[in-house]
Amino acid sequence: TQLLEQSPQFLSIQEGENLTVYCNSSSVFSSLQWYRQEPGEGPVLLVTVVTGGEVKKLKRLTFQFGDARKDSSLHITAAQPGDTGLYLCAGSTSGTYKYIFGTGTRLKVLA
Amino acid sequence: NAGVTQTPKFQVLKTGQSMTLQCAQDMNHNSMYWYRQDPGMGLRLIYYSASEGTTDKGEVPNGYNVSRLNKREFSLRLESAAPSQTSVYFCATKVGSNYGYTFGSGTRLTVV
Repeated sequence: TQLLEQSPQFLSIQEGENLTVYCNSSSVFSSLQWYRQEPGEGPVLLVTVVTGGEVKKLKRLTFQFGDARKDSSLHITAAQPGDTGLYLCAGSTSGTYKYIFGTGTRLKVLA
Repeated sequence: NAGVTQTPKFQVLKTGQSMTLQCAQDMNHNSMYWYRQDPGMGLRLIYYSASEGTTDKGEVPNGYNVSRLNKREFSLRLESAAPSQTSVYFCATKVGSNYGYTFGSGTRLTVV
């Protein structure tokens, strides 16, 4: 059973545009993570959020955890071709070692 | 460089053949994981090991077995490969429950 839904599935934008990717669930998460994956490689952790309403920034990337800890968003400002990749969210529902992954958003930024 | 090493990177099997995917980490983490990644399905947990000497089933364990050989190594075995096991397999490790995974670069397996 897939607990995490990501939208959109695919996104193709021009360099310099802004975008937001969403991760939604009906479950409450004790923590949520965002990863970026490039072709032929494993996912690489971008951020972990644990507190409802938490906002974290990583250069041009802004991550927000919903107040109810059921959803999260990733906003990219002034996207660059280097942002191209598969963005995955992953959540833990009980603070255990196991995380459930979303199906991902495939982003392509055109120069 | 510290990290997670997976071998082999590519493998083609015939239906019914067996093989073992190897994973080793030099990060001194207690927990290790095997995931499979399929188009449109995201990453799904096959098995995990919270610490040396323990293993537990994940979301999709059927057709697989694992061995936590020591703290560094966690192998995944396919006893009788099936076409449905065609996938990219990732091994991962992490230091604690709210920490991120460190993934290997994956094994692309094709079963014909």
